[in-house]
Amino acid sequence: GAGVSQSPSNKVTEKGKDVELRCDPISGHTALYWYRQSLGQGLEFLIYFQGNSAPDKSGLPSDRFSAERTGGSVSTLTIQRTQQEDSAVYLCASSLGFRETQYFGPGTRLLVL
Amino acid sequence: QKEVEQNSGPLSVPEGAIASLNCTYSDRGSQSFFWYRQYSGKSPELIMFIYSNGDKEDGRFTAQLNKASQYVSLLIRDSQPSDSATYLCAVNEGGGADGLTFGKGTHLIIQP
Repeated sequence: GAGVSQSPSNKVTEKGKDVELRCDPISGHTALYWYRQSLGQGLEFLIYFQGNSAPDKSGLPSDRFSAERTGGSVSTLTIQRTQQEDSAVYLCASSLGFRETQYFGPGTRLLVL
Repeated sequence: QKEVEQNSGPLSVPEGAIASLNCTYSDRGSQSFFWYRQYSGKSPELIMFIYSNGDKEDGRFTAQLNKASQYVSLLIRDSQPSDSATYLCAVNEGGGADGLTFGKGTHLIIQP
């Protein structure tokens, strides 16, 4: 079946602009996760959704980051007033339930000039 | 602060030999342990998961978990050049609403 999909695959933006990243999880997966991977760094957990709710937003790097999920499916990660340090690969993963095996999407490569 | 530690490598292993990848974690409450493989420029893909102490085998891969020592390892038998990648150790704690905590990965090179 179809895996996790993300769009866009690549995004180049200017500093100060807002960007929106989209994740479409595997059908039937109730849990959805956002991670960030900076060049040469490990994966950094950002936020997790169980259904439409995000119980803990403390992993988001700053208040410029927000995420939502509607209909228990598609999620968007929004970065406002982007900064150069936001440049990274943003990965989305989904799992059948919380703490179950996570499957990753192909990622969105964000470059802030 | 939860931490997952891995030797960054590169770890160079001749083709056909056993590659041994190690990982330690700081949160004693961790309950789920995962190994992901990540090729350059690609997203992580799941290799193995393990929840209980001991060994778990799947084809050429064996995951080993020792919760008392807070240690998890991945063995790759009959290493192939296609196994060359970065291997990420990930840990999920028992409580809370966090995602996985990842190590920075070990870069494995299988020499033909």
